[in-house]
Order: sequence, then structure tokens, then C-alpha cells
Amino acid sequence: EAGVVQSPRYKIIEKKQPVAFWCNPISGHNTLYWYRQNLGQGPELLIRYENEEAVDDSQLPKDRFSAERLKGVDSTLKIQPAELGDSAVYLCASSLGQEFSDEQFFGPGTRLTVL
Amino acid sequence: GENVEQHPSTLSVQEGDSAVIKCTYSDSASNYFPWYKQELGKRPQLIIDIRSNVGEKKDQRIAVTLNKTAKHFSLHITETQPEDSAVYFCAAGTYTGGFKTIFGAGTRLFVKA
Repeated sequence: EAGVVQSPRYKIIEKKQPVAFWCNPISGHNTLYWYRQNLGQGPELLIRYENEEAVDDSQLPKDRFSAERLKGVDSTLKIQPAELGDSAVYLCASSLGQEFSDEQFFGPGTRLTVL
Repeated sequence: GENVEQHPSTLSVQEGDSAVIKCTYSDSASNYFPWYKQELGKRPQLIIDIRSNVGEKKDQRIAVTLNKTAKHFSLHITETQPEDSAVYFCAAGTYTGGFKTIFGAGTRLFVKA
């Protein structure tokens, strides 16, 4: 079974440029998460989807970040315009969304460098 | 807001010794507590988890304990091996029609051969 797929793996852009990340979760996983992980820190939730509905986006900087999960399968996360402080690894994860456990399967991440 | 605190941030042990990592959480509604291991340059992977109706769970050399009253939980690794060297993240999940999971800042474990 294929795991969570993310692309690109690395991205270097100049500040004020737009950037987009793509994630394809494990087949059958209803819940999809986007996290940001700064060096030496734990994953910080940006947005959580249950199927195609964004149910928790309280940590998403909505002035510059946007996300979508059309048809409840793959998802894109966009930053426009990017700032220096956006440099981080952006992780996508998915889970079955069961009530009594929530093992999250992470993708390899996209390492973003904003110059 | 809710948070998860994790200690220590760095832990160095001799091969064969035990390692203990501790976490506290603030949301009393949290009912699911996973631990993830992240090796250098790789993605986090679940190594063990515990639900709030259980006080302790063991899987070979790793065990987790949970004290709901005090809102803290711990990871114990016995007979550590060099391949246990990694960053370990605790997390607290709260089910609200789906899980909202907050991660700790991580503990970098070094196991010296």
C-alpha cells in the first residue's frame, strides 16, 4: 500500500513569491492534516480536513495561506505571498479518523526555503 | 489555548540503559496519547499510543504510562540501542468528531554505544 505522497520534496523561492504544496493521502483515509514543522520543534497543525470539510483551521494564517481538498481526496496548501518566516518543513498526514485512536501517517514533507 | 509540554529536550544515555521522556497536557478532554519517533531526515512514525481509559501499555522495550488526574504521561524505553537514537514527540488528542492533536516540542535521544 502506498503511503502519503507529497510534492515537491524541496522548494526554494524568493520572498513575496507564491508557492503550492500537494498531498495525496492514503486511500480510504477521511482525515487529512497539514502541519508546519520548524527546526527542532514538533509539528504544528495548520488545518485539518474531515473528508472535504475544513473542520479546524484556527492556526492557519488566512491572510496568506489557503488550502483546499476537493472531492475529499488529495489536497493543496498555498502560500501567497511567502515571507522569510515561512521557511519550514510542511508535513501532510492522514488517518482513518476513528473515534478511539488516531494513528496519523505522515508524508515525507516539503522543505520550503524562502530567501 | 491547549498545549503539550515535553521534557527533557535532549537526553543522552548509554546503550543498555533506560530512557524516560515526560509530557504534560492542558486539555482535560484529551483522551488519546500517541508517541511518534522521527529519525533524522525522515517522517514521524507512531511507535505506541494509549487511550485515556488505560493507565499503562507496553510493547516489547517501550512502555507508556498515563496519569489523567495529574494530566501527564511518560514514555519509557528499556535496554536502549543505538538505533533508538531519534527525536521522540508526545501528543495529546481530543476527539470532537475527529481528533485535534497537539504535539510536544520533541526530545532528541542519543544512545551512545
